[in-house]
Amino acid sequence: EVQLVESGGGLVQPGGSLRLSCAISGFIFSDHHMDWFRQAPGKGLEWLGRSRNKGRGYSTEYAASVKGRFTVSRDESNNLLFLHMNSLQTEDTAVYYCARLPHASINSFHFDFWGQGTLVTVSS
Amino acid sequence: DIRMTQSPSTLSASVGDRVTITCWASQSISNSLAWYQQKPGKAPKVLMYRASTLQSGVPSRFSGTTSGTEFTLTISSLQPDDFATYFCQQFAEFPVTFGQGTRLEI
Repeated sequence: EVQLVESGGGLVQPGGSLRLSCAISGFIFSDHHMDWFRQAPGKGLEWLGRSRNKGRGYSTEYAASVKGRFTVSRDESNNLLFLHMNSLQTEDTAVYYCARLPHASINSFHFDFWGQGTLVTVSS
Repeated sequence: DIRMTQSPSTLSASVGDRVTITCWASQSISNSLAWYQQKPGKAPKVLMYRASTLQSGVPSRFSGTTSGTEFTLTISSLQPDDFATYFCQQFAEFPVTFGQGTRLEI
């Protein structure tokens, strides 16, 4: 069974940093691109960044709004995806989700499995 | 960035109704579109990808069509479990972008 479980959210002061984790199980991590999203209270979904699969060299992409502040990384040996967040501001308050893209053979870049989300609150 | 405009923002309907939600892309995205359902406090669930391919396990009352840059999600006969928020998402190019959502309510 495919599972994605985020952790690491919480309360952080403006200007602070936080590292979110996404623990994966039930599939071969290195075969899949993985993305991070967030959803501010009562708002829509915002894409943050991607970690491509091993075949694509684990290369990354970022949204302009977080480029230079957020970094996506992996620990393949422990099946963990990370989102490192720096210089956090109140507008970064949101539920953060990790999501999996399907296997390359599907030839589609939608998101077939999502974690349950972890809440990040940036406030003094 | 590709802008996804979704309509309506709220839709009131009843069990058994046929409903349609529409998404327009600001430029050509071919069929690089997915539809998601989200319930309060839950993660999104993919319903459709490549505009009209039903995700495994999703009931056949859901269908998707495309005409140029206009995409529609149709639910043929609403069931109680279908009352939720629906989003479209384009994956033709970065950044990945979403419609603002349609809240389907009784």
